[in-house]
Amino acid sequence: GAVVSQHPSWVICKSGTSVKIECRSLDFQATTMFWYRQFPKQSLMLMATSNEGSKATYEQGVEKDKFLINHASLTLSTLTVTSAHPEDSSFYICSAWGAGLTQYFGPGTRLTVL
Amino acid sequence: AQSVSQHNHHVILSEAASLELGCNYSYGGTVNLFWYVQYPGQHLQLLLKYFSGDPLVKGIKGFEAEFIKSKFSFNLRKPSVQWSDTAEYFCAVNGDSGGGADGLTFGKGTHLIIQP
Repeated sequence: GAVVSQHPSWVICKSGTSVKIECRSLDFQATTMFWYRQFPKQSLMLMATSNEGSKATYEQGVEKDKFLINHASLTLSTLTVTSAHPEDSSFYICSAWGAGLTQYFGPGTRLTVL
Repeated sequence: AQSVSQHNHHVILSEAASLELGCNYSYGGTVNLFWYVQYPGQHLQLLLKYFSGDPLVKGIKGFEAEFIKSKFSFNLRKPSVQWSDTAEYFCAVNGDSGGGADGLTFGKGTHLIIQP
């Protein structure tokens, strides 16, 4: 139980285009999901908290207009990287708050912007 | 602001050796503490967590951790490691404002290599 999936697992795009990443809780409902970013050989940094039916809460320094988050249902949150640039290349990981007061993590999405 | 410090970035041990990975945190309030493991090519998995109660917490795969409030520490231990324990280990913390609903602050991770 408590499985979180992400799609796609990797994506390559051209600079200036937008990319959407989906995060789904497969066997449980999650009113709260989180988006993290992980740079190579570094730790995960919380980007934003996504709440179903309301606006996301962004961490300081994260551009809300660049990283659009939509939590449209209790099992789906999406992160759209708008007008992506090479510096946005990273590993994006989502998590969902589930049973046992625990966050369950997805496998991550590798974004490469050319 | 919260912060988490993991003292060892790379650890190499032989099988059957004992393991202790250090984790210290900084936070002005009640915290929840976690250890996650990331095996090569896999996603983060929860090893154990501490919310309250007995400060000695037992997790999966024979791991345990002890919360020492006076030292702001939550060190991870295993008495005898196996080759399959080779992985990246992350200590994490969040505030206890919503029963765990806050995002996590992670340490930088410890890369553990177990030699056969």
